[in-house]
Amino acid sequence: EVQVVESGGDLVQPGGSLRLSCAASGFSISSYNMNWVRQAPGKGLEWVSFITSRSSTINYADSVKGRFTISRDNVKNSLYLQMNSLRDEDTAVYYCARQLAVAGYYYYVMDVWGQGTTVTVSS
Amino acid sequence: QSALTQPRSVSGSPGQSVTISCTGTSSDVGGYNYVSWYQHHPGKAPKLMLYDVSKRPSGVPDRFSGSKSDNTASLTISGLQAEDEADYHCCSYAGSYNPYVFGTGTRVTVL
Repeated sequence: EVQVVESGGDLVQPGGSLRLSCAASGFSISSYNMNWVRQAPGKGLEWVSFITSRSSTINYADSVKGRFTISRDNVKNSLYLQMNSLRDEDTAVYYCARQLAVAGYYYYVMDVWGQGTTVTVSS
Repeated sequence: QSALTQPRSVSGSPGQSVTISCTGTSSDVGGYNYVSWYQHHPGKAPKLMLYDVSKRPSGVPDRFSGSKSDNTASLTISGLQAEDEADYHCCSYAGSYNPYVFGTGTRVTVL
């Protein structure tokens, strides 16, 4: 079964750091671009970061730029998000999501999502 | 990049049709035919329902359809069923710098 499972969410104080992980199974992430998306309580989804299959291109939302770092380990079939200088407004469920790709063509859509991991930033 | 605008909630009786709008700008919805829709039951993984405005992934019932006009995309659920009760999020490609912008989300209630 194709799936991704996020982990690493926790309660952290403002200014603190956290590292999220996303373990993929049923497919090799080396063939896919990957994303992190979050949903704050009572809000809609918000795209956070994107990384291409070989890490050649990385993008961040302005709201996290300079504080978050996305990375991947294709050997471990895993995606990561290092979050530093955390703020109250970073409180959210964080989702790992795969970009749809068929026969080498990348669609602008995310087709496989995990159930998310909860990050709470509070003193 | 501002979130796309969706109605907070829509409702309908079983068998009826409901339509959810998703309004953006010429920099996102209006600029590309790359609008997608996700169904999200709380606590579960979001599920892709439509992409490229109106394409359905394998396994998604044809009761779900999509369209777009100018800066507004729409999702229509025909023949509403109890299991369709969920949150629905639209998403549009918005360029290589900030590639994805999501909607504010719509709660669909089956009466």
